[in-house]
Amino acid sequence: QKEVEQNSGPLSVPEGAIASLNCTYSDRGSQSFFWYRQYSGKSPELIMSIYSNGDKEDGRFTAQLNKASQYVSLLIRDSQPSDSATYLCAVDTGRRALTFGSGTRLQVQP
Amino acid sequence: EAQVTQNPRYLITVTGKKLTVTCSQNMNHEYMSWYRQDPGLGLRQIYYSMNVEVTDKGDVPEGYKVSRKEKRNFPLILESPSPNQTSLYFCASSETRNRYEQYFGPGTRLTVT
Repeated sequence: QKEVEQNSGPLSVPEGAIASLNCTYSDRGSQSFFWYRQYSGKSPELIMSIYSNGDKEDGRFTAQLNKASQYVSLLIRDSQPSDSATYLCAVDTGRRALTFGSGTRLQVQP
Repeated sequence: EAQVTQNPRYLITVTGKKLTVTCSQNMNHEYMSWYRQDPGLGLRQIYYSMNVEVTDKGDVPEGYKVSRKEKRNFPLILESPSPNQTSLYFCASSETRNRYEQYFGPGTRLTVT
């Protein structure tokens, strides 16, 4: 089992819809969780971090964390074509390195 | 402008020819790290540095070396590159207190033939 799992996609949603991206992790001791966005051919860019159970909202983005179920999700409201990218879930398991999932490719159809 | 720069951006080399990929940041960040990104495997950390002269291995350090003699620079050295080191490499930096809220460089695409 991978430490951080994401569905590779592509996840296709129509413009204006809510995109829901999910991530599960295996280490119950994980403390910090991050979502990075990576456009094709570009470097990852941090868009959300979440450290405690519940929801965290930032503009059109909402991160949700459920430590008991070991999942973290990212909701993108009013999806735009410019949101089309790969979204990387990353987890701080307390080891020396941040552990990344392989990413979910999101396509927002105009 | 706050940024992380890497050079070169693209490099094609042959097996065994030593190379260095440079990384520099202008944000006075203490924490710097190197990742490689491969299809299906995601980003994997190679080495990281908590500050000048403090470096440590990440998840995939074999075949790589690093040094941190100045706070702003963190070069990645491949002493004897092999084809399995063909990959996309990213340098990243952050403040130590939020070390996983990282700023990534533009990436270096390395091909070893």
